[in-house]
Amino acid sequence: DTGVSQDPRHKITKRGQNVTFRCDPISEHNRLYWYRQTLGQGPEFLTYFQNEAQLEKSRLLSDRFSAERPKGSFSTLEIQRTEQGDSAMYLCASSLLQQDGYTFGSGTRLTVV
Amino acid sequence: GQQVMQIPQYQHVQEGEDFTTYCNSSTTLSNIQWYKQRPGGHPVFLIQLVKSGEVKKQKRLTFQFGEAKKNSSLHITATQTTDVGTYFCAGNTGGFKTIFGAGTRLFVKA
Repeated sequence: DTGVSQDPRHKITKRGQNVTFRCDPISEHNRLYWYRQTLGQGPEFLTYFQNEAQLEKSRLLSDRFSAERPKGSFSTLEIQRTEQGDSAMYLCASSLLQQDGYTFGSGTRLTVV
Repeated sequence: GQQVMQIPQYQHVQEGEDFTTYCNSSTTLSNIQWYKQRPGGHPVFLIQLVKSGEVKKQKRLTFQFGEAKKNSSLHITATQTTDVGTYFCAGNTGGFKTIFGAGTRLFVKA
């Protein structure tokens, strides 16, 4: 297992387009998290999955954002009708137990032009 | 809502000097984690503290969790150029959401 994988690494899109990112966590990790990070800031929580169940979603997240983890393995994060303010690094992380530290992927850098 | 504040925002040190970053939460935490992010990289987990007053060491790094479980610190003794990066604390109040501070960016001059 090579850790948490995210695809694509970079995405440039025009305002108003939809984008989808994929995260493959460490295979035995049942907990999966999505975070967003902008320059000079810490990661901001977006959503959390335990297996296939989405158990928490940030209230800051607009309804343009949706995430799935259909079989409890990989996850996708979709942003509809992208805005320039969505430009950020989108980080996925996974862990085995709630008390474990997170293993982050390398992220997907989104630029909305 | 829960907030995690870190100070300082930046720290420039000469190689060999010590470095400390402080983390404060607006609410009592069940645990606190520390991460390091190298320039251009992603956060890498360093350690987790759970108990009130807990102190843990990793070589030149010393981590402390306050008695009230609302603050924490990371101290690096005799910094090296390999210590360059941003250090984040991240607090959890027992739920599924871990809140990250804005980080302290460490610059080390050789």
